[in-house]
Amino acid sequence: TQLLEQSPQFLSIQEGENLTVYCNSSSVFSSLQWYRQEPGEGPVLLVTVVTGGEVKKLKRLTFQFGDARKDSSLHITAAQPGDTGLYLCAGGGGSGAGSYQLTFGKGTKLSVIP
Amino acid sequence: NAGVTQTPKFRILKIGQSMTLQCAQDMNHNYMYWYRQDPGMGLKLIYYSVGAGITDKGEVPNGYNVSRSTTEDFPLRLELAAPSQTSVYFCASSYPSYNEQFFGPGTRLTVL
Repeated sequence: TQLLEQSPQFLSIQEGENLTVYCNSSSVFSSLQWYRQEPGEGPVLLVTVVTGGEVKKLKRLTFQFGDARKDSSLHITAAQPGDTGLYLCAGGGGSGAGSYQLTFGKGTKLSVIP
Repeated sequence: NAGVTQTPKFRILKIGQSMTLQCAQDMNHNYMYWYRQDPGMGLKLIYYSVGAGITDKGEVPNGYNVSRSTTEDFPLRLELAAPSQTSVYFCASSYPSYNEQFFGPGTRLTVL
């Protein structure tokens, strides 16, 4: 069974602070995705990383895929209240799973206080 | 495009009742999925389909059934509802490449 461990589980910070969320596994994934989910809505895809060591930026959000493709991080610079939500990482094509399945982490619940 | 739509938004069932959660997508995606999300537990895959007429079990299929007669629709059937099925249910669809999934707004189900 593949597992994706996310940390921290909860994070409450002041507006303007920086933060990093981690997603770790003992399994190798062919791709790693990050989703954001707001209360009462479905997850929305933020980014997909597929190459070991890859870094992608989306405005104030920076995503990195580990060299061994087993872990990833999400860094937010100068967090804003609009960043509040549940951040989920999901690994695709891990060992034992079909390429059409994703393994989801349990999520990091972020609250940005104005 | 409407994307992925789900109905109903909310539903309360009594133990032993049955119901069907509807899911439709207009993006011509071959792959479709049903997940349940419980507090602090992330998303668990119930069933998935790689095309019309093809379905398979995910991680937590017990108590559920699915069918896929068209590319657009992927209904989830609950037979003999139990309190353990109280959850939020999400339908998703994707293209094959990298499996980037598009989610519906969810159905919040309570079984009393």
